[in-house]
Amino acid sequence: GEDVEQSLFLSVREGDSSVINCTYTDSSSTYLYWYKQEPGAGLQLLTYIFSNMDMKQDQRLTVLLNKKDKHLSLRIADTQTGDSAIYFCAESIYNQGGKLIFGQGTELSVKP
Amino acid sequence: DTEVTQTPKHLVMGMTNKKSLKCEQHMGHRAMYWYKQKAKKPPELMFVYSYEKLSINESVPSRFSPECPNSSLLNLHLHALQPEDSALYLCASSQDYGLAKRRAGELFFGEGSRLTVL
Repeated sequence: GEDVEQSLFLSVREGDSSVINCTYTDSSSTYLYWYKQEPGAGLQLLTYIFSNMDMKQDQRLTVLLNKKDKHLSLRIADTQTGDSAIYFCAESIYNQGGKLIFGQGTELSVKP
Repeated sequence: DTEVTQTPKHLVMGMTNKKSLKCEQHMGHRAMYWYKQKAKKPPELMFVYSYEKLSINESVPSRFSPECPNSSLLNLHLHALQPEDSALYLCASSQDYGLAKRRAGELFFGEGSRLTVL
């Protein structure tokens, strides 16, 4: 079945870059997404990438997609304490009408 | 208005109580979702409504009963819950559902209703 895997924790210093990695299994995925969840809040869509793209940049965020290895990464440049949150990657399953499958989430801790 | 509003924010109920969670969006979205989330875990899909019709029920126990009175509102009726049902219940909406397009996965989430079952 479909599966999305992420490492559970990442700790960085303020000002450094953070790289959060994700692997997925469904080769029919059309879009892949990154969501952010701050403590006590709902999820917020950060960015997405279409499966025929290799890279997408959006201000401090860079998404890299290696479709051959089914590997997705989110790079946050100049990480700030306000970036501390849980980051979920998610794939939409084409043959299930676009249903989202979420990874386990990576808890990013940014230390001053 | 890009908000999904959920009420109440917190709910404590006994196992014999009947209560409801409410969700509202005014973005003109035609798909609405209920997710259940345990601490530090990903959200788990419960129900999807598309154009006010139930499209997906992820084998959710009947003690959870969804209702979509109109395209802007989504309710989750709770009855005879168990302590293990305690969780954060998230409502979300998207422009549509059932299409392999970006907007099908572009979900707008509410802040959630934190439910505690005693």
